[in-house]
Amino acid sequence: DTEVTQTPKHLVMGMTNKKSLKCEQHMGHRAMYWYKQKAKKPPELMFVYSYEKLSINESVPSRFSPECPNSSLLNLHLHALQPEDSALYLCASSQVGARTDTQYFGPGTRLTVL
Amino acid sequence: GESVGLHLPTLSVQEGDNSIINCAYSNSASDYFIWYKQESGKGPQFIIDIRSNMDKRQGQRVTVLLNKTVKHLSLQIAATQPGDSAVYFCAEKPGYGGATNKLIFGTGTLLAVQP
Repeated sequence: DTEVTQTPKHLVMGMTNKKSLKCEQHMGHRAMYWYKQKAKKPPELMFVYSYEKLSINESVPSRFSPECPNSSLLNLHLHALQPEDSALYLCASSQVGARTDTQYFGPGTRLTVL
Repeated sequence: GESVGLHLPTLSVQEGDNSIINCAYSNSASDYFIWYKQESGKGPQFIIDIRSNMDKRQGQRVTVLLNKTVKHLSLQIAATQPGDSAVYFCAEKPGYGGATNKLIFGTGTLLAVQP
């Protein structure tokens, strides 16, 4: 099973709202990732968690706050977003340690900020 | 044909023909490469991977070729089908320490299969 699930599928929020995106995998992977993808562009890495600890933050604004409650779950908390933050947010997971660890992606959450 | 411009590079092929999608990667120290397929409204789907100690790897209807001399990667799809229509991304994993989980994605190519 190479499935990564994400909820919700679509999210519309105002600039003053607080919302969260959720990601789950049951492949026993110990690395999890958040990416942002704009239309017709490749995914851009935001955060990497390795063994439930934040290992990479690609200088993401503090209005995005990641959380990894356990090895299967990854959240992205959103607060005071801007319209330019509207995008497809992708979660991925992989094994840790081998040079050839493949990242498997979820279907994404389509976020619209009004 | 293939076009590059302000829009996503597009490759148009006839159903049944073979497709070749090209990718130039940036880091000569990269030692692992992946091809992903992304259909409209979906997340990237793993297709095939290759390590830098190989120059060719075959899967089901797909072949990846790696030319490290010119830092070039290609994906060949045999007998292209309408279901192959999607955006294809190559991704490289830099071979430097401290960022072993990081992938760098190419710009993507839209494959349009004409019936």
